[in-house]
Amino acid sequence: GDSVTQMEGPVTLSEEAFLTINCTYTATGYPSLFWYVQYPGEGLQLLLKATKADDKGSNKGFEATYRKETTSFHLEKGSVQVSDSAVYFCALSVNNAGNNRKLIWGLGTSLAVNP
Amino acid sequence: NAGVTQTPKFRVLKTGQSMTLLCAQDMNHEYMYWYRQDPGMGLRLIHYSVGEGTTAKGEVPDGYNVSRLKKQNFLLGLESAAPSQTSVYFCASRQGTGGGNNQPQHFGDGTRLSIL
Repeated sequence: GDSVTQMEGPVTLSEEAFLTINCTYTATGYPSLFWYVQYPGEGLQLLLKATKADDKGSNKGFEATYRKETTSFHLEKGSVQVSDSAVYFCALSVNNAGNNRKLIWGLGTSLAVNP
Repeated sequence: NAGVTQTPKFRVLKTGQSMTLLCAQDMNHEYMYWYRQDPGMGLRLIHYSVGEGTTAKGEVPDGYNVSRLKKQNFLLGLESAAPSQTSVYFCASRQGTGGGNNQPQHFGDGTRLSIL
């Protein structure tokens, strides 16, 4: 079945370090891919998305490229800030018969950035 | 610009009590969802709705009921609360099929529920 696998956390970095959070998926059809972020005490919010192979999503200095050949959508940022401390979720959405439009979620990766 | 609003934000219940969590969205979205979030388990879908008057089961529906009598509201009910239902509950909404599967879900800030 369709699934998403994220690297386990927690990830702890110093400010200005390079960030990679790995995400791989298995899916039939042509999924859209998403990264959501959850700041402490808040709900999830969309960080970026990509809807087809080789698309690059970007927002707030974060980037992720939809790699169909490696079934991956790794999240990267060149220089993290303390304010990036949050939990990051990878998710995929794929057309299903029966009009079932739920997202399939990874388990989340916690990021802590120290000053 | 409210988006998705969940009430209450916190609640403590005793085992066996019942309660209803309310989710309201002002974006005219067709789809609405209820999730629970537990440590190490990510987000799990409880129930969802693809339009007013419709509901469907998600991954973990047992012990919960839902209703979507109005398009903007999606209610989650616990008939007889159990300690295993202690969790953070999130509601989300999304546009309908017009944007295909590219439309993101919009989340509320969550309801923290403890069952003693």
